[in-house]
Amino acid sequence: GNSVTQMEGPVTLSEEAFLTINCTYTATGYPSLFWYVQYPGEGLQLLLKATKADDKGSNKGFEATYRKETTSFHLEKGSVQVSDSAVYFCALSGSGTYKYIFGTGTRLKVLA
Amino acid sequence: GAVVSQHPSWVICKSGTSVKIECRSLDFQATTMFWYRQFPKQSLMLMATSNEGSKATYEQGVEKDKFLINHASLTLSTLTVTSAHPEDSSFYICSASLAGGRSDTQYFGPGTRLTVL
Repeated sequence: GNSVTQMEGPVTLSEEAFLTINCTYTATGYPSLFWYVQYPGEGLQLLLKATKADDKGSNKGFEATYRKETTSFHLEKGSVQVSDSAVYFCALSGSGTYKYIFGTGTRLKVLA
Repeated sequence: GAVVSQHPSWVICKSGTSVKIECRSLDFQATTMFWYRQFPKQSLMLMATSNEGSKATYEQGVEKDKFLINHASLTLSTLTVTSAHPEDSSFYICSASLAGGRSDTQYFGPGTRLTVL
């Protein structure tokens, strides 16, 4: 079955540091891939998405590239801010279905 | 655009009572809505998929008689936790997909925190 594996946190960085959160997946066909962010006490917000191989999703300085050859969708940001502190979820939507499979989430804490 | 609201944002109830949570898509029509449950510091667990005008599809292990889902219109789905018990305390989150199958992106509500005493 489909699955998403996400690096465990928490990840603690200093402000302006480079961020990478790893995400790999297992799926049949051609899933769509997503990154969502959850701030404390809130629901999930779509951060970025990619629907086919080699697509790059980007938003608010965050980027992720759909790598079919390595079945990965790693999240990166060149310079994090304190306001980026949140939990980040990687998810996939399998071919022919709108159901999501979520990773376990990675908590990011950015220190001033 | 693509805003989803939930009401209430938090609720406290006594054991044995029922609680209804509403999920609304404010600026789009949602053919499909999803209900998730999230335990502290954990990922989201899909409870059920709700399609407008038809019965919800529940995930394995989710009691359909305990978690009643109604999707009466293209903008509203409700989750009723019947005879709630302390173990039902959790953060419940809904999401919605655009009607017509044009997109597989889900838009999430802000969540409802349920505490059962």
